[in-house]
Amino acid sequence: QKEVEQDPGPLSVPEGAIVSLNCTYSNSAFQYFMWYRQYSRKGPELLMYTYSSGNKEDGRFTAQVDKSSKYISLFIRDSQPSDSATYLCASHSGNTPLVFGKGTRLSVIA
Amino acid sequence: KAGVTQTPRYLIKTRGQQVTLSCSPISGHRSVSWYQQTPGQGLQFLFEYFSETQRNKGNFPGRFSGRQFSNSRSEMNVSTLELGDSALYLCASRDTLTDTQYFGPGTRLTVL
Repeated sequence: QKEVEQDPGPLSVPEGAIVSLNCTYSNSAFQYFMWYRQYSRKGPELLMYTYSSGNKEDGRFTAQVDKSSKYISLFIRDSQPSDSATYLCASHSGNTPLVFGKGTRLSVIA
Repeated sequence: KAGVTQTPRYLIKTRGQQVTLSCSPISGHRSVSWYQQTPGQGLQFLFEYFSETQRNKGNFPGRFSGRQFSNSRSEMNVSTLELGDSALYLCASRDTLTDTQYFGPGTRLTVL
C-alpha cells in the first residue's frame, strides 16, 4: 500500500462547479499536508499548506485534513477553465521527504 | 524573490552516457530536494541536501548522486543512463520556517 493514495481521475466538470479532490494516507506520523497544482510541462506549484487537522481557506480553495480518518481534501469553488491542471496531494512528518499522491487530472469545461 | 531555477530545461542523451542537472534554490533557503516524476510512478524522492550534507535519500540506485555547494546551489548526476531514466527531474527548495517546499520548472530528460 502506498503511503498516500489519490484517485488519478480524470475528472471533468462544468465551469462554476464545486470540485472535491481527495487523498488518503497511511502514515500516522504525517503532520504537514500540502496541495500542489501542476500545469502541463511545468513544475508543481504550492497551492495550500496545512499543519495537523483542520480547515484552511484561501479564496476559492479550501483544504481539509481529518487525521482521525487519515483523509485529505481540497475543495475548489466556482471552478474556472484556468483551474484545469493536475492536483497533487503530499504529506510529511517534519524534516522528512514529501510523499506524493499520483495526482488527479482535472478539466473544467467552459 | 526569484523562484527555484533549474538548468537545462531539456536534455536528450543516449544510453550509457551520464548527465548533470543543476538547481539554484530560492535565496535564503538552505535545503534542496530532488524528485523524479514519471507518468507511471508519479513523483518520487531522490535525495535532500541541507548545508552541503545529504540529509535524506530515497530508494534509487547508486547511479543517482548529488551534491550541494556552499551557496546552496545543487547538482544531481546520473551515470550510465538507462531508457527508464527518462523523466522530469524536479528540484525543490525548502522554507525551514514553514517546512514547505517550492518547486522549480524541472529538467525533462529523454534517454534514447
